[in-house]
Amino acid sequence: LAKTTQPISMDSYEGQEVNITCSHNNIATNDYITWYQQFPSQGPRFIIQGYKTKVTNEVASLFIPADRKSSTLSLPRVSLSDTAVYYCLVFMNTGFQKLVFGTGTRLLVSP
Amino acid sequence: NAGVTQTPKFQVLKTGQSMTLQCAQDMNHEYMSWYRQDPGMGLRLIHYSVGAGITDQGEVPNGYNVSRSTTEDFPLRLLSAAPSQTSVYFCASTRARLDGELFFGEGSRLTVL
Repeated sequence: LAKTTQPISMDSYEGQEVNITCSHNNIATNDYITWYQQFPSQGPRFIIQGYKTKVTNEVASLFIPADRKSSTLSLPRVSLSDTAVYYCLVFMNTGFQKLVFGTGTRLLVSP
Repeated sequence: NAGVTQTPKFQVLKTGQSMTLQCAQDMNHEYMSWYRQDPGMGLRLIHYSVGAGITDQGEVPNGYNVSRSTTEDFPLRLLSAAPSQTSVYFCASTRARLDGELFFGEGSRLTVL
C-alpha cells in the first residue's frame, strides 16, 4: 500500500484559496488518489478522487502531475466551516480498497 | 435516506465484558468495513466484507469478530474488552470493488475501564 505524507496542520483565513499537498512516492500504476474530510465527532466524508491531471467537482479540485508522486487538493475561497482534518489516501484499483488513512492535515480557517 | 447507521453512539464497558457494535446500511452496498480511530491518529482497518457471507481481516483484527449474514448489516463483536480497545469505531460501506468513495457512519465511542 502506498504511504502518503502530508503537512500536519495549515492555517488560512476566510475567502482564501487553500492548497494541501500530499506526497505518495511509491504510488503504483493501478492506484487512485482520494481525499476525505473529517469534522470532530463525525465520520470521514469523501471529497474527491482522481487518477491523473485535474479533477474538479462542486467543492474542490484535485491536481495530479504526470509522475503522480504527489497531488494537491485545492479548496477555493474557504469558510469557517471548512475547518477540519483532510486525509489523502491512495488505493489500488484491484481487489478491495484497504484504504490507509494517515494522520491527515488539520486545517484551521480563521475569520 | 439514512445511509450508514451505527449503534450505540456511546458505550462504557468493563475489562473482560463483551459487546456488539451494530452497523446497518440502506444503500445496497456490497462492501462494508470497520475502522477504529485513536486520538490524533488516522483510521485503521479492523475487518471488512466484500458481500454477504464473506469477511476478511484488516490491519488490526485481534480481539474483534465480524459476520455478514445480510447485505445490510455488519456487526462488530468485541469478545473480551480491553482498555486498549478504547477508541472511536467507524463503519463504512461502498458501492463497488473499484470505488474509492466510502460512506461512513457517525461513529461509536467506546470506553473500556
